[in-house]
Amino acid sequence: ETGVTQTPRHLVMGMTNKKSLKCEQHLGHNAMYWYKQSAKKPLELMFVYSLEERVENNSVPSRFSPECPNSSHLFLHLHTLQPEDSALYLCASSQVWDTLHGATEAFFGQGTRLTVV
Amino acid sequence: KQEVTQIPAALSVPEGENLVLNCSFTDSAIYNLQWFRQDPGKGLTSLLLIQSSQREQTSGRLNASLDKSSGRSTLYIAASQPGDSATYLCAVVSGTYKYIFGTGTRLKVLA
Repeated sequence: ETGVTQTPRHLVMGMTNKKSLKCEQHLGHNAMYWYKQSAKKPLELMFVYSLEERVENNSVPSRFSPECPNSSHLFLHLHTLQPEDSALYLCASSQVWDTLHGATEAFFGQGTRLTVV
Repeated sequence: KQEVTQIPAALSVPEGENLVLNCSFTDSAIYNLQWFRQDPGKGLTSLLLIQSSQREQTSGRLNASLDKSSGRSTLYIAASQPGDSATYLCAVVSGTYKYIFGTGTRLKVLA
């Protein structure tokens, strides 16, 4: 497989459940991102990992817990979510930029449609 | 704080028309700007990336321009087709790791 792959594509969970979203990239990138996309809102950056270290945590509630075991894999662990957390969760990857050459192109997965009931 | 605006929010055109989508941003200190396409319920597909030192990029029927000083980018789609129907998003890379997205332009091309 090529590109950025997310599983599962759809997930329905109760408010007391624990589940995880998985993202895998086959592009040789070393930065990975979690975004949340809610209806009629711009994409919201949740977490960024660069070289397997978390470099950005955009004021996300602790019921969302990211994990990046290596540069190819990214997880988002979910527990005790609320109905307002229902959204499309998108994973992306890029190459860590340097100040000399600037930023690189980001590639996205197909997303996980999460519904919290 | 960087803000990205896309106008119009929605656009409906007959097949074959040339069209322009607009993206504006408030802080001109950007690394690059990237245009994406998103089909309903799907992820984002990268269309074009313009580095801050570039003025435009072309791919097939798509041409994107960047005017950093005025905080604007345009995506030009030539000879539109029904398959072009989607939401088009622009994102500016502003600061370390920060891709800031606009709310998108929802395009419908009528056969």
